Amino acid sequence: KAGVTQTPRYLIKTRGQQVTLSCSPISGHRSVSWYQQTPGQGLQFLFEYFSETQRNKGNFPGRFSGRQFSNSRSEMNVSTLELGDSALYLCASTPTGTSTEAFFGQGTRLTVV
Amino acid sequence: SQQGEEDPQALSIQEGENATMNCSYKTSINNLQWYRQNSGRGLVHLILIRSNEREKHSGRLRVTLDTSKKSSSLLITASRAADTASYFCATDEEGYSTLTFGKGTMLLVSP
Repeated sequence: KAGVTQTPRYLIKTRGQQVTLSCSPISGHRSVSWYQQTPGQGLQFLFEYFSETQRNKGNFPGRFSGRQFSNSRSEMNVSTLELGDSALYLCASTPTGTSTEAFFGQGTRLTVV
Repeated sequence: SQQGEEDPQALSIQEGENATMNCSYKTSINNLQWYRQNSGRGLVHLILIRSNEREKHSGRLRVTLDTSKKSSSLLITASRAADTASYFCATDEEGYSTLTFGKGTMLLVSP
C-alpha cells in the first residue's frame, strides 16, 4: 500500500510570503500530524487532525494553520513567512492517532530567504 | 518543547560492533517508540514499547524501558554501514496522540 506522500519536496519562499504544504496519508488512516524539524529545536509538534477536526495543537504562533479534508488529506499553511520558518516539515499518519506507530512522509524542505 | 534527551549525541563505531543509545524523558508515558531518520528524510518507525513492558526485541534491535528512571535504551547488534542514521526516541501520553521527540543520536557505522 502506498505510503505517506508530501508535496512539494522542496520549496524556496521569500520572507512575508505564505506557503501551503500538502500531505496525503496512508489509505484508511484518519489521523494526520504535522511536525517541524530544525537543527536548533529538533522535532516539534505542530498540530494533529482527526476526521477533519483539529484534535491537538502545539506551541506555534497563529501564522501556522492547517486543515483536513474528508478524504483525510491534510494541508498546512504558514503565512507571513519568517527566516526562522526554514525547516523540514514532516507529516505523519496513523489509523486513529493513539498508541501506535506513526508513518512519516519524506517531508517538505522549506527555505525562506 | 523536547520531552527528553538522547545520549550520546553522536556515536561512531565499526561494522560488526554493537551500538547503544539512551533516552530519558520527563513525564509519565503511555508508550515509547524509536525512529530512524536518514539524512534529512522522513522518519521510519523501528519499535514501540508500552509503559508496562520492560524489554522488547525486533531483529537486531533490543529496547529496554525503565519507567522508574524514566529512561530507555536502544541496542543495535552487529551494526552495518546501512545503520548509519539519526535515531530518535518519542513518547506519547495516555489519551494523547502527539509524539514528543528527543534530540536524537547520530550514529555513524564505518565499513
